[in-house]
Amino acid sequence: DGGITQSPKYLFRKEGQNVTLSCEQNLNHDAMYWYRQDPGQGLRLIYYSQIVNDFQKGDIAEGYSVSREKKESFPLTVTSAQKNPTAFYLCASSIASRGRTDTQYFGPGTRLTVL
Amino acid sequence: EDQVTQSPEALRLQEGESSSLNCSYTVSGLRGLFWYRQDPGKGPEFLFTLYSAGEEKEKERLKATLTKKESFLHITAPKPEDSATYLCAVQAGNYGQNFVFGPGTRLSVLP
Repeated sequence: DGGITQSPKYLFRKEGQNVTLSCEQNLNHDAMYWYRQDPGQGLRLIYYSQIVNDFQKGDIAEGYSVSREKKESFPLTVTSAQKNPTAFYLCASSIASRGRTDTQYFGPGTRLTVL
Repeated sequence: EDQVTQSPEALRLQEGESSSLNCSYTVSGLRGLFWYRQDPGKGPEFLFTLYSAGEEKEKERLKATLTKKESFLHITAPKPEDSATYLCAVQAGNYGQNFVFGPGTRLSVLP
């Protein structure tokens, strides 16, 4: 089955800790994305990557970092610099057709809670 | 600035009571408009992509339409299992991955 997996489903972080959220896809998509979802708000883009070893900041990148060493994987690290990290985090991927419409497909999400 | 709004914020329907959800957008250079369904605690599930004004797409009890300023998601004879949050998103601009999501409409269908 092709799809996107995220782990863990639930994650708890103590103050001052860095935590890493995993995202893996076997859809052979070039582009991958990280979004943050808060109640009553639209999804907000944290980082995206259109190709291996390259990534771009989204609207709310401060306090987050990513890497893209493999096409299938796009882990997100929530650093201690992120002041309000409690949220639902969603990973997505798309084919990445430059200049053309590009449907995104989402993983099941990780709920991060700061203790 | 590109913007997407959705109305109503929440909608309660009786089973079989048809209705429509609205997604209004202001973007420069629309490349596509997307509808997703999201169940509580889960990731959004892709429903439709619409590319140009006048286009319509259907899937079971759902039908999506697109004009130059808005999109509607029509739900015909809904069932309780249609209860979910419905998200609208647009992709705009000539390059890059410029997606903007609306806040969603929370639909409840009562038996």
